[in-house]
Amino acid sequence: AQSVTQLDSQVPVFEEAPVELRCNYSSSVSVYLFWYVQYPNQGLQLLLKYLSGSTLVKGINGFEAEFNKSQTSFHLRKPSVHISDTAEYFCAVGSSGSARQLTFGSGTQLTVLP
Amino acid sequence: DSGVTQTPKHLITATGQRVTLRCSPRSGDLSVYWYQQSLDQGLQFLIQYYNGEERAKGNILERFSAQQFPDLHSELNLSSLELGDSALYFCASSAGNRGRVEKLFFGSGTQLSVL
Repeated sequence: AQSVTQLDSQVPVFEEAPVELRCNYSSSVSVYLFWYVQYPNQGLQLLLKYLSGSTLVKGINGFEAEFNKSQTSFHLRKPSVHISDTAEYFCAVGSSGSARQLTFGSGTQLTVLP
Repeated sequence: DSGVTQTPKHLITATGQRVTLRCSPRSGDLSVYWYQQSLDQGLQFLIQYYNGEERAKGNILERFSAQQFPDLHSELNLSSLELGDSALYFCASSAGNRGRVEKLFFGSGTQLSVL
């Protein structure tokens, strides 16, 4: 079984400040990790993903995430946020096992304040 | 447990066939979303229903259709299946309030394998 924990349900931050959205996972097999973003009145879109290779993954809109196997974490970071980054962010973990299920975290609401 | 139920968990079928995926949203949620997940493309938004009516449409093929019933459960119908339709299909639900970012609750997905 696998699970995902997004430690913060809401993160308010001022414009141009750095932000980190935390994600921890548990899985008994090799994992794939994703961050998705949902803007108001839109469906989810992929920010970035880790499948293998370099543990530092760069995504769209200036976001990046680091896969830390020892800490079972995949935190999302951006050095300077904009008002337009206000959205809901989901971390998800998929396994390489036969079931190929994808488990989503509960989401983190990022609100960028002027 | 998100409260969103998807059945079946796994489905194996042949090209040219038709299948139906089912989703029961969280109690009280009026909106249902369907997504297709492939490892290389990530999650693709297909379609959204709100209280029985289509609200938004994404990258849904003409061979695919969906509906939401009066009891709010939803079905995604995939026809004339092709090998490339093999993917993980997710359903999500939300309360359905317009004009605000809604928290989504995801089912565990249906793994479709087209052979």
